[in-house]
Amino acid sequence: EVQLLESGGGLVQPGGSLRLSCAASGFTFSNYAMSWVRQAPGKGLEWVSAISGGGSPYYGGSVKGRFTISRDNSKNTLYLHMNSLRAEDTAVYYCAKEGEWEPNYFDYWGQGTLVTVSS
Amino acid sequence: DIQMTQSPSTLSASVGDRVTITCRASQSAETWLAWYQQKPGKAPKLLIYKASTLESGVPSRFSGSGSGTEFTLTISSLQPDDFATYYCQQYNSYSRTFGQGTKVEVK
Repeated sequence: EVQLLESGGGLVQPGGSLRLSCAASGFTFSNYAMSWVRQAPGKGLEWVSAISGGGSPYYGGSVKGRFTISRDNSKNTLYLHMNSLRAEDTAVYYCAKEGEWEPNYFDYWGQGTLVTVSS
Repeated sequence: DIQMTQSPSTLSASVGDRVTITCRASQSAETWLAWYQQKPGKAPKLLIYKASTLESGVPSRFSGSGSGTEFTLTISSLQPDDFATYYCQQYNSYSRTFGQGTKVEVK
């Protein structure tokens, strides 16, 4: 059974940093691209960033230059390093597994972790 | 980036109704289009991928069609469990993008 478990969310001040983690299990992690998708309170879904199985990163325009995606295939873990955080980054952040090639649809999702950027 | 526009934003319907949601792309997404269902406080759930392929376990009352820049999600006979928000997502480009969502509410 595929499981994705996010952690690392919380309250951070504007301009601050935070690192999210997503622990994956139930599939061969290194074979699949992974993404972060966020959802601001009461708003729609926004793709944030993706990383190929081999480590090539891709970013949405609103986070490029501030966020860094990475993965540790030996630990089956996905990361999102978030710097220079703004109020508009406040959202639930979901980790999502992609299909067999990239780019792709998201076939499994975690439960999400809430990031709140506020002073 | 390919922009995705869904219509309508909100749809009021009754159990048993046939429901259609449209998703338009700013440029061709070919058939690289997925649909998701999301309920409040929950993660999205994949319904359809490659425009018309039903994900395993998804009821057959859901169907998808389209290619290029226009796509539709149809629920043939709306059930109580189907009241939710639906999103389209293109994956023809490395900047994956979602539509803004369509909320299906009780009429």
